[in-house]
Amino acid sequence: DTAVSQTPKYLVTQMGNDKSIKCEQNLGHDTMYWYKQDSKKFLKIMFSYNNKELIINETVPNRFSPKSPDKAHLNLHINSLELGDSAVYFCASRGAEKLFFGSGTQLSVL
Amino acid sequence: GNSVTQMEGPVTLSEEAFLTINCTYTATGYPSLFWYVQYPGEGLQLLLKATKADDKGSNKGFEATYRKETTSFHLEKGSVQVSDSAVYFCALRVGSQGNLIFGKGTKLSVKP
Repeated sequence: DTAVSQTPKYLVTQMGNDKSIKCEQNLGHDTMYWYKQDSKKFLKIMFSYNNKELIINETVPNRFSPKSPDKAHLNLHINSLELGDSAVYFCASRGAEKLFFGSGTQLSVL
Repeated sequence: GNSVTQMEGPVTLSEEAFLTINCTYTATGYPSLFWYVQYPGEGLQLLLKATKADDKGSNKGFEATYRKETTSFHLEKGSVQVSDSAVYFCALRVGSQGNLIFGKGTKLSVKP
């Protein structure tokens, strides 16, 4: 079983559209994250949730809205997509010793 | 503040060459240090870690020693393989509840 799964793996869309990326973890962890990785592989934290509550909200445009219906899920909704939103988005959950990452969602905004 | 600086890539080596990827850190308090690896098309996964000064983390032939005096955690491997081609991230965490702070990543390409 995949520990942290995110869907879709690829997402190609037009500027101005609204899209969502889903993330689920089956590890029983309380804390989950969203990271953005740019084309140079730089990894930037976007959000952190602990047991459905927002803990970290870095300087991310408010077009990005995370939603956590329960502690096993942390979805990312993006409104009015822009060209600069093109990147790979990673979901992660936090264990006692390390982070567990999903395999990423490659978002391409045309 | 807390930060991680690692050497710029890309690093290109021949198979069986010696690898060093430098990583230095700045931290308030006593951080735990990590190396994560990202293989092509995958998410990051923990490669090794060290939680206190002079600890050596090791895994899959890779090693890194926590050097408090030089605030460093350099990654080394004596003989790299093509399958080691990946992006390597150095990271730190201050306190058991702190968040991971990643370096910018170093891409390694190993040629046969």
